[in-house]
Amino acid sequence: GQSLEQPSEVTAVEGAIVQINCTYQTSGFYGLSWYQQHDGGAPTFLSYNALDGLEETGRFSSFLSRSDSYGYLLLQELQMKDSASYFCAVRGEGGGNKLTFGTGTQLKVEL
Amino acid sequence: GAGVSQTPSNKVTEKGKYVELRCDPISGHTALYWYRQSLGQGPEFLIYFQGTGAADDSGLPNDRFFAVRPEGSVSTLKIQRTERGDSAVYLCASSLGGAAGELFFGEGSRLTVL
Repeated sequence: GQSLEQPSEVTAVEGAIVQINCTYQTSGFYGLSWYQQHDGGAPTFLSYNALDGLEETGRFSSFLSRSDSYGYLLLQELQMKDSASYFCAVRGEGGGNKLTFGTGTQLKVEL
Repeated sequence: GAGVSQTPSNKVTEKGKYVELRCDPISGHTALYWYRQSLGQGPEFLIYFQGTGAADDSGLPNDRFFAVRPEGSVSTLKIQRTERGDSAVYLCASSLGGAAGELFFGEGSRLTVL
């Protein structure tokens, strides 16, 4: 089976940097994805790491360490619109793009 | 279409009734996924199609749930004898074969079973 752990809530101020961690246990691993979801909205893709290291996309970066079964999402220059839920998701056994999602981290950005 | 389209956006039904939820994926996406999401939880995998066939249906909770994709495009998730525990947002997603880890989700169908 597969399981993922991430903090339930994180609060940060506008303009700051925040890191959301994700640890996973999986039988078979092909990559780790991150998704953003605003209340009532659809999950939207942010990033994907298949190999160890850091991937940068604008203000967002994602890191993966396969040996530690660990990854994180780094959000820089936080904006109020970044307040949302963030999910890590493992692409594991089953093939294709079948993803197993974590329970999500609710990020609150304050002034 | 520009994105994944799901209908209805909201469905209220009574316990024991039959429900169909429709998903129209992004044109050209060969893979289609159904997830369901309860309040405060992450999306939970139900089934995925590669073309017309179900490549993995291991997430369907029981035999009341069934999904089809007869022409390799639009898919319908069917729920028989609905129960209150089936209440959730049912999300559909599609993807290109080579775009690893990236799913394009629809806005979902919110199902409420009274």
